[in-house]
Amino acid sequence: GENVEQHPSTLSVQEGDSAVIKCTYSDSASNYFPWYKQELGKGPQLIIDIRSNVGEKKDQRIAVTLNKTAKHFSLHITETQPEDSAVYFCAASNNQGGKLIFGQGTELSVKP
Amino acid sequence: SAVISQKPSRDICQRGTSLTIQCQVDSQVTMMFWYRQQPGQSLTLIATANQGSEATYESGFVIDKFPISRPNLTFSTLTVSNMSPEDSSIYLCSVEDPRETRRINEQFFGPGTRLTVL
Repeated sequence: GENVEQHPSTLSVQEGDSAVIKCTYSDSASNYFPWYKQELGKGPQLIIDIRSNVGEKKDQRIAVTLNKTAKHFSLHITETQPEDSAVYFCAASNNQGGKLIFGQGTELSVKP
Repeated sequence: SAVISQKPSRDICQRGTSLTIQCQVDSQVTMMFWYRQQPGQSLTLIATANQGSEATYESGFVIDKFPISRPNLTFSTLTVSNMSPEDSSIYLCSVEDPRETRRINEQFFGPGTRLTVL
C-alpha cells in the first residue's frame, strides 16, 4: 500500500525566512496531494493541494511543487510569520474511496 | 467548505466503558470518514462511514471495537467500545463532497474529540 514519508519532523525559522517541507510517496498511482495545517487543539485545515496533472501551484505565500518522476512533493512557505507556527501534514491519495495517507508531520516554529 | 462540528470536544473516561462521538455537517455530503490521531502522531483512517450501509473499515480496525453509524448525509457517530488507555487519542471526522468534480478528494476535518482513558 501507499506510504508517505515527511521531512523534517521539526523546523525552526526566523520570521521572514522561508520554510520548506518535503514528502515522498511510494504508490505511483497517487494523483492528489494535499497539505494540512494543524494548530494546537484544532483539527487539520486544508491549506493547499496539487493534482498529478500540475507541477506547481501557488496561493499567496504558500506554494506546492510536485515531481511525479521522483515521487516527491514539497510545501514552500515564504515570508514566514509567527502565526505560521503549527504542525503541517502532507498526504497522498489515489482516488480509491477517498482514502488519504498522511505523512508523519512537521512541527514548524517561526521565531519573531 | 462545509462546517463540521463534533461532540463532545473532549472527555475523560474509565477503562472498560464506551464513548459515542457525534459528527454533524451543515450541508449534505456524500462521503464521511473517521480518523484517529494518537498523541503526537499523524492521522490514521479508521473507516469510511457509508450512508445506509455498514462502514468500510481499514486494516487493523474492526466493527466490534469502533461501531459507526451514518443515518443520513449530514450526521455520523463513532463509538469507541470497551476502552483502554491505548485508545487515548484525538478522533476526527472528515467529509468529502465530490459532487463538484474539481473538488474530488478534498477532505475537510472537524475540530476533533480529545479522548483520555484512565
